[in-house]
Formats: sequence, C-alpha cells, structure tokens
Amino acid sequence: AQSVTQLDSQVPVFEEAPVELRCNYSSSVSVYLFWYVQYPNQGLQLLLKYLSGSTLVKGINGFEAEFNKSQTSFHLRKPSVHISDTAEYFCAVIRGGYNKLIFGAGTRLAVHP
Amino acid sequence: NAGVMQNPRHLVRRRGQEARLRCSPMKGHSHVYWYRQLPEEGLKFMVYLQKENIIDESGMPKERFSAEFPKEGPSILRIQQVVRGDSAAYFCASSPNVGVSNLNTEAFFGQGTRLTVV
Repeated sequence: AQSVTQLDSQVPVFEEAPVELRCNYSSSVSVYLFWYVQYPNQGLQLLLKYLSGSTLVKGINGFEAEFNKSQTSFHLRKPSVHISDTAEYFCAVIRGGYNKLIFGAGTRLAVHP
Repeated sequence: NAGVMQNPRHLVRRRGQEARLRCSPMKGHSHVYWYRQLPEEGLKFMVYLQKENIIDESGMPKERFSAEFPKEGPSILRIQQVVRGDSAAYFCASSPNVGVSNLNTEAFFGQGTRLTVV
C-alpha cells in the first residue's frame, strides 16, 4: 500500500526567506507525485506534479520540487516566500491507474513579516 | 469554463438528519472523486465514480454513506442519520480521463462543503 508522510505539521518562516516542505512516500511501484496548496476555506489547487522525466519539477508561484527515488522523497521548495504563500500544503501520490490521490496530513506554512 | 461546483458551501444538520452534498464536475469531465477532510487532517479518499457507475468505493464507510453520479445532473454524496463525527469538509474533484497515460489531465477540486453536525 502507498502512504505519504509529511514530516512537519507546521513551518513558520519569515518573509523572503527560503523554505522547504518535506514529503516522503512509500511504494513498491512507480509513483506519480503531486503538491497541492489549500488557502483558508478554499479547495485544493495543484502546484506541481511529477509523472516522469526530469526529477526537478517547476510549478506555479515560484515553487519547485525534486523527485528523489533513492530516498523516496519529493520535497517542495521556494527560494523566497511571500506573505501570500501562507496556506496548507499537501503532498499526494497516485494510487492505481486513475486519479485516486493519497494525501499526506499536510504542512501549514506560516509566513511572517 | 466553470470549475468544479459544490453546494452548499456550508451545511448544518442535527444528529439523525440526512445530509446531501452536490458536486457538478467541470464541463467535459465524466469522472468524479469524493474526499473527506477531518479537522487537522489531510484528505481521505472516499469514492470514485463515472457516469452511472461506482468504480472504487474503498474509502466509503460501510453504513449510512452512499454516492451516485447519474447520467444527468450532479454527483450526490448522501449521509444518512448523521453523527457528530461526520462533521468535516467534503471535497469533490473531477477529471476527464483515466489511466496512467492520461495523467497529464489532473483532477480539479471544488471548494468543498463544510458539514457541521450539531
């Protein structure tokens, strides 16, 4: 079975500082990996995804993530955060042959001025 | 092209009542997924439906919960005899295709229905 672990439930950071949100997955087969962002009282918006090819994936809003197969990780990074990046971030994997997403518990990013 | 529409956005029910949550997928999408988000937790998969078919309901509680996606109209998630533990945000997502080869079309999420059982 696949599972997703987000190692940090909350990450506080100052504006313009870099940030890394960690995600590890467990799977015995090839996986497809996603990061979603959820703003307060909103639905989920796709930030980026890894399906195949280059292990460094660039997404919207200046975010990027690197797929590391040997460490089974897919950490999300941004070199300089803004107040508007304050939100909950979810890592997810696809299970099965369709868009059945298995989510991590989420990481709450709080950007302070 | 409107996104995934869920209604109502907020729903309050007393214990023992029924809750009906609606999801209209994006135009051209024929696949619907329901997820539940409990407070301080991630989203948990509940059910995957295509038009008139339930494909995967492995995340649905065995009792009181049901889902449908009729040929015409929105997908409905129905919770009978609600209890306080059903209080959560319920999200619907839709996609046009299935299969690994079509994963470039990701699932799009609605804004959710927040159910409160009092």
